[in-house]
Amino acid sequence: ETVLTQSPATLSLSPGEGATLSCRASQSVNTYVAWYQQKPGQPPRLLIYDASKRAAGIPARFSGGGSGTDFTLTISSLEPEDFAIYYCQQRSNWPQTFGQGTNLEIK
Amino acid sequence: EVQLVEAGGGLVQPGGSLRLSCAVSGFTFNNFWMSWVRQAPGKGLEWVANIKQDGTEKYYVDSVRGRFTISRDNTNNSLSLQMNSLRAEDTAVYYCARVASAYFDFWGQGALVTVSS
Repeated sequence: ETVLTQSPATLSLSPGEGATLSCRASQSVNTYVAWYQQKPGQPPRLLIYDASKRAAGIPARFSGGGSGTDFTLTISSLEPEDFAIYYCQQRSNWPQTFGQGTNLEIK
Repeated sequence: EVQLVEAGGGLVQPGGSLRLSCAVSGFTFNNFWMSWVRQAPGKGLEWVANIKQDGTEKYYVDSVRGRFTISRDNTNNSLSLQMNSLRAEDTAVYYCARVASAYFDFWGQGALVTVSS
């Protein structure tokens, strides 16, 4: 199966700063990657799909990029509500798999 | 408003069975693939099973194939997951999710399944 490795495991930043989260695939997944945000006690929320397309209602400060095996989620200027766990997911190769998550915490 | 509401979670002994259900509203249910995704306590996400719009195609992660059965009732807008021969490692929050282009665009709040003696 395709393993997704997210880095860093934890990212400590302050509101207003920019954040870059990484997701690396063990084999090519083309651009078939999504990013989800999960807050404690809540289900995940789809942010980005097909590597760079924002889902409905997602603020423009969230952007995604990459292709092949290397992907990034960028948050241009962190708002207090952005501190959460972020997961990447690939749907290119069966079975679809998720990364282990990056915990974005307040510094 | 899209809503997915899971029910049926609880405590079950190893080797036991449990059936989860997911009531759906706010969209045309029979236009979408549906999935179950689980999350063990303090862990990441794991896709469990998918079902096609008409129920004719079903797919499972290897660890549950032969023990879990996904099904749907398009008349009543509901999704189910029958879980048999449960193991401790099946302990997780189980989410019902709508599938759009093989991504999960709407999720329920989840149902906790605990397998323990």
